[in-house]
Amino acid sequence: EVQLVESGGRLVKPGGSLRLSCTASGFTFSSYSMNWVRQAPGKGLEWVSSISSSSSYIYYADSVKGRFTISRDNAKNSLYLQMNSLRAEDTALYYCARGPDGSRYMDVWGQGTTVTVSS
Amino acid sequence: DIQMTQSPSTLSASVGDRVTITCRASQSISSWLAWYQQKPGKAPKLLIYEASTLETGVPSRFSGSGSGTEFTLTISSLQPDDFATYYCQQCDTYPWTFGQGTKVEIK
Repeated sequence: EVQLVESGGRLVKPGGSLRLSCTASGFTFSSYSMNWVRQAPGKGLEWVSSISSSSSYIYYADSVKGRFTISRDNAKNSLYLQMNSLRAEDTALYYCARGPDGSRYMDVWGQGTTVTVSS
Repeated sequence: DIQMTQSPSTLSASVGDRVTITCRASQSISSWLAWYQQKPGKAPKLLIYEASTLETGVPSRFSGSGSGTEFTLTISSLQPDDFATYYCQQCDTYPWTFGQGTKVEIK
């Protein structure tokens, strides 16, 4: 079964740091681009970042550029999001999502991990 | 950034109705548009990609059309399982952007 499982979300103070992880199973992880998408409570979806299969191409939303870093370890079938200088507006459910390499859509999503930024 | 505008924001419909949701892009995105369905407490689910290609396993009552700046998602005969929120997403240019969502409610 194709599956993505996120972890690492928790309550953190403004200005703090957090690293989210996404573990993939059931497919050849190294053949797919990966993405992070977030959803603030009661709000819509916001794309956060994308990374190509070999990490050659990386993109960020302006709202997180310079604060968040996406990375992957294909040997561990894992995707990461290092989040620094966290703000209250980063509070959200963070999803990882798969995208067939070279494609432009996200076909498999995890269930998400919750990040709350509050003092 | 490319802005995506969905209409309506909320839609009330009955089982069996034909439902159409519109998504407009602030500039041309060719056919680089995807549609997702999200139910409360669940992750989004891909329905359609490249504006009109139905994802494997998605019922054929869902269809997508359009190119350039105007796109539609149509549900030909609304089923009880279809009451959800629908999002369009442009994937022509980074940063990728989503529409604000259309909630399909029971009339």
